[in-house]
Amino acid sequence: GAGVSQSPRYKVTKRGQDVTLRCDPISSHATLYWYQQALGQGPEFLTYFNYEAQPDKSGLPSDRFSAERPEGSISTLTIQRTEQRDSAMYRCASSLAPGTDEQFFGPGTRLTVL
Amino acid sequence: GQSLEQPSEVTAVEGAIVQINCTYQTSGFYGLSWYQQHDGGAPTFLSYNALDGLEETGRFSSFLSRSDSYGYLLLQELQMKDSASYFCAVRDQAAGNKLTFGGGTRVLVKP
Repeated sequence: GAGVSQSPRYKVTKRGQDVTLRCDPISSHATLYWYQQALGQGPEFLTYFNYEAQPDKSGLPSDRFSAERPEGSISTLTIQRTEQRDSAMYRCASSLAPGTDEQFFGPGTRLTVL
Repeated sequence: GQSLEQPSEVTAVEGAIVQINCTYQTSGFYGLSWYQQHDGGAPTFLSYNALDGLEETGRFSSFLSRSDSYGYLLLQELQMKDSASYFCAVRDQAAGNKLTFGGGTRVLVKP
């Protein structure tokens, strides 16, 4: 596609529910990243993929968080048993190749856990 | 781990020059990036420095000194549309492709 897209743009859920966020990267991009961004702060790395491989998931806050990219294109981030502290903007970014300087960010999904 | 420091806020008038400093601590430095983010928008890439020196792209320039673990973003001929947050971010060889962002500098341009 022309840019990185994410869905839904807004998600409100109740504590304890599972949520799945979706990212559709730029079609030619091999590398995909997930970040969490709190209001007024910089993005914080969660995990990344090279095609379908997930070399680094060190930023995932707990085992309630998981991500997939089964066919090396679209990715999902799932948060199980959501907690209020999970409320944040979740951003996806993609880059042409591993180590490419420029990352292209999507519009984000604003998650609110009540 | 990695840590970055940058000022939280800068205010300047249209036409002025603003320099945003960024100091970093990292175990295996690979490069320093700068991103711009308008309120409600997504971060967008501005520049990347892997080697010492100044990189110029239009009104914006970025500088890196690896020996001082320091870089800056220079915004020249400020325009109202430059009001945004600016983030420095480091790539750490030891951390693969992971980008670690600073807390951001909010630039407010006044007429």
